[in-house]
This record gives sequence, structure tokens and C-alpha cells, in this order.
Amino acid sequence: NAGVTQTPKFQVLKTGQSMTLQCAQDMNHEYMSWYRQDPGMGLRLIHYSVGAGITDQGEVPNGYNVSRSTTEDFPLRLLSAAPSQTSVYFCASRPGTRYSGELFFGEGSRLTVL
Amino acid sequence: DQQVKQNSPSLSVQEGRISILNCDYTNSMFDYFLWYKKYPAEGPTFLISISSIKDKNEDGRFTVFLNKSAKHLSLHIVPSQPGDSAVYFCAASGMGGSEKLVFGKGTKLTVNP
Repeated sequence: NAGVTQTPKFQVLKTGQSMTLQCAQDMNHEYMSWYRQDPGMGLRLIHYSVGAGITDQGEVPNGYNVSRSTTEDFPLRLLSAAPSQTSVYFCASRPGTRYSGELFFGEGSRLTVL
Repeated sequence: DQQVKQNSPSLSVQEGRISILNCDYTNSMFDYFLWYKKYPAEGPTFLISISSIKDKNEDGRFTVFLNKSAKHLSLHIVPSQPGDSAVYFCAASGMGGSEKLVFGKGTKLTVNP
């Protein structure tokens, strides 16, 4: 009963490096999203997807790319890491595209950019 | 501009007493509201929700109240237990059918034995 799985759990990058945070869900959910959590800022939406091949921007999309080639996977790419991207990242999913219920979150990926 | 506000960063209550966590919102297009609980080093987990057509929803020890005219909702936990100690996030959705869920900054609840 995996639910939403995020890898890696911890990552340290140098400024300018690129990397991909992986997210996979095994619940056949149509909707997937990425949030970042910063101290005193709550959870802010980065990007989301309402189905395979469809993505859209959230509140804080700059510096991040996403793609959705399958229903199960929704990777988040940092193109050129900056210290401002130091954060805890959460992937979340839910069934259906019309909002009608709660999001299921992964355990988070803690990223530090030096 | 923050659309969902949780003005109390922290709250401390005694075990067995009531915990009341508050949330205000500014966007009148929000029509669905949720509370999430988050323990350290874990992802948020859904707690309870309420649609804008209701003013109260109850689930065991947890009750959410919605006052649309005041754009205010609250989460009541009765009785509070030490295991309820966590950060609680208020969230809202429904801006013209948007898929975006907007979160408040969270309130850290500590329940003392």
C-alpha cells in the first residue's frame, strides 16, 4: 500500500546544478501536484497536472519544470538550483479532476541548495 | 496577498480541554475548505472538510464550523489528546473551478498531558 512515493528524501545541491525530484502514485489518481513548504509560509503550489499530458502552473512555478507522461509519475525538475529553492517539497494526488476531496501527500523531499 | 490566513502560529492546551484553531479567508469564490494535520518529517494528512453549503461538519472529536458571512472557519478538537500535537493547516479551493488548493501558514498545536 505505497500511496504517494517521493524520492529522494534528502538532497544537497550546489548552486547551478540541476536535478529531478521523483513522484509516483499507485492509486490511479488523475490529479497530481507539487507543493513546497518553507518556514512561516505554509504550503505553496508549484505545478499541477489534471491528467497525463496536461500540466499547469501554480503559485510559484519559476525555476521548476514538470511533465506528465504517465498517470503514475509526476517528476519535478530544477533547471538551475538556487539557494532560494532550499525547501521541503511535497507531491500530492487525488482521484478525478474536479475538486471533490482531499489530497494524498507523499512524505516529502528535503532539498538544500548551497 | 494571502488568501487563507491562520493568524495564530501556535496554540497550547491541556489534555482533555477543547482546542480551537481559526482560519480566515478573503476570496469569496472559495467553496470548499479542508483541514490537514502534519507531524514533523511526514506529509500532511487530511483531517476534515466542509462545503460552503454547510455551516458545520463533525467527525468524531473533530468539528469544523464555517461562517461564510465572516469568511471564517474554525476547527474544534474535543477532547484534546497529546497525540493531536501537530501543525494544522487550513486550505481552501473552488475559485471558479480551479484545481488549486490554497493553504494557510499553519498553526502549531501542543497538547500538554
